[in-house]
Amino acid sequence: DAKTTQPTSMDCAEGRAANLPCNHSTISGNEYVYWYRQIHSQGPQYIIHGLKNNETNEMASLIITEDRKSSTLILPHATLRDTAVYYCIVRVVDGATNKLIFGTGTLLAVQP
Amino acid sequence: DTGVSQDPRHKITKRGQNVTFRCDPISEHNRLYWYRQTLGQGPEFLTYFQNEAQLEKSRLLSDRFSAERPKGSFSTLEIQRTEQGDSAMYLCASSSRQGIETQYFGPGTRLLVL
Repeated sequence: DAKTTQPTSMDCAEGRAANLPCNHSTISGNEYVYWYRQIHSQGPQYIIHGLKNNETNEMASLIITEDRKSSTLILPHATLRDTAVYYCIVRVVDGATNKLIFGTGTLLAVQP
Repeated sequence: DTGVSQDPRHKITKRGQNVTFRCDPISEHNRLYWYRQTLGQGPEFLTYFQNEAQLEKSRLLSDRFSAERPKGSFSTLEIQRTEQGDSAMYLCASSSRQGIETQYFGPGTRLLVL
């Protein structure tokens, strides 16, 4: 699976949009981009995933660049409860390789 | 859908003791994964099951570790002769073989070896 690079930490004001970048310059054509987050002392929570197109769900939006070498997770109106470590992961979905390879993620601190 | 559950949530043991953790996946999810997470690090893959078959094991899974999923439903992870280095959060996740196989995680079991 391709390696991802994320900033170690970011701050965001409550109510503002949080934009979390991820670099995955060696991504292959069949690798998906996944985002998970982990609130302190809890298990990782799935947020969103995408292959080529931008995606949106009730939690967030995922913007993937046209060359797929980077992506941005957007939390449109961050709240204090969004304070967490956010992990960007790329993986093949082919039925054979199933494990998720986590990096150290980005610690997002939402400030009141 | 009650989510992935794990038991116990916390375990304190003395070095040399054996411990066993249980994971109940989301019903009808046929794939189950174990991960380990130490402080300040992301989760690391340990092993994965498809139904009752253990299909992949990480090099992190030493011979003191054994995982089972006897009926293809719940799974257990046993650590024999625990060491202080085994102190970590043990996470379980499950997924369906359908579609893009999103893994859903349980709350984890936090192990402290004294």
